[in-house]
Amino acid sequence: AQSVTQLDSQVPVFEEAPVELRCNYSSSVSVYLFWYVQYPNQGLQLLLKYLSGSTLVKGINGFEAEFNKSQTSFHLRKPSVHISDTAEYFCAVNTGFQKLVFGTGTRLLVSP
Amino acid sequence: ETGVTQSPTHLIKTRGQQVTLRCSSQSGHNTVSWYQQALGQGPQFIFQYYREEENGRGNFPPRFSGLQFPNYSSELNVNALELDDSALYLCASSYQDTEAFFGQGTRLTVV
Repeated sequence: AQSVTQLDSQVPVFEEAPVELRCNYSSSVSVYLFWYVQYPNQGLQLLLKYLSGSTLVKGINGFEAEFNKSQTSFHLRKPSVHISDTAEYFCAVNTGFQKLVFGTGTRLLVSP
Repeated sequence: ETGVTQSPTHLIKTRGQQVTLRCSSQSGHNTVSWYQQALGQGPQFIFQYYREEENGRGNFPPRFSGLQFPNYSSELNVNALELDDSALYLCASSYQDTEAFFGQGTRLTVV
């Protein structure tokens, strides 16, 4: 079965600092990977997705992620975070027909 | 183009009661998936409907059931509510296997 693991439950960072949120996946077949963001009391918004092709994927709000097949990772990065980036971030894998398996989430806390 | 809308946004039910949650899919989408997100957890797949038929189910008991209507809107029904059913219920719509768009969710509290 396909699964994802988010290694950090919480990541504190100062404003304008770089950040990396880690995600590792488990799959024996081709994977389609996603990062979603969830602001308090809201649904999920897609940040970016990897389907195929270039391993460096750029998304919205200045985020990017790199698909690494040898390390089975799909880490999310941003070179300079803002207070408004404070939210919960979820890594997910598509198990087929958009049936998504999510990680447990990483709370990004940006402080001034 | 309207997005995915869910109703109600919040509700409180008593243990043992039944509840129906509703989801209107985005225009042009024929697939609806439901997820349960317990506090502090990631969303968990409940089931999916494609063209009014169930198209996959997660590890949830039969008291979780659903419907999809000809206009592709959907309902999630939960019978015999338990305290552990308290969660945010998310609906996502897509056109077959393209990107899923999520609604704002329904916060269910069981007391």
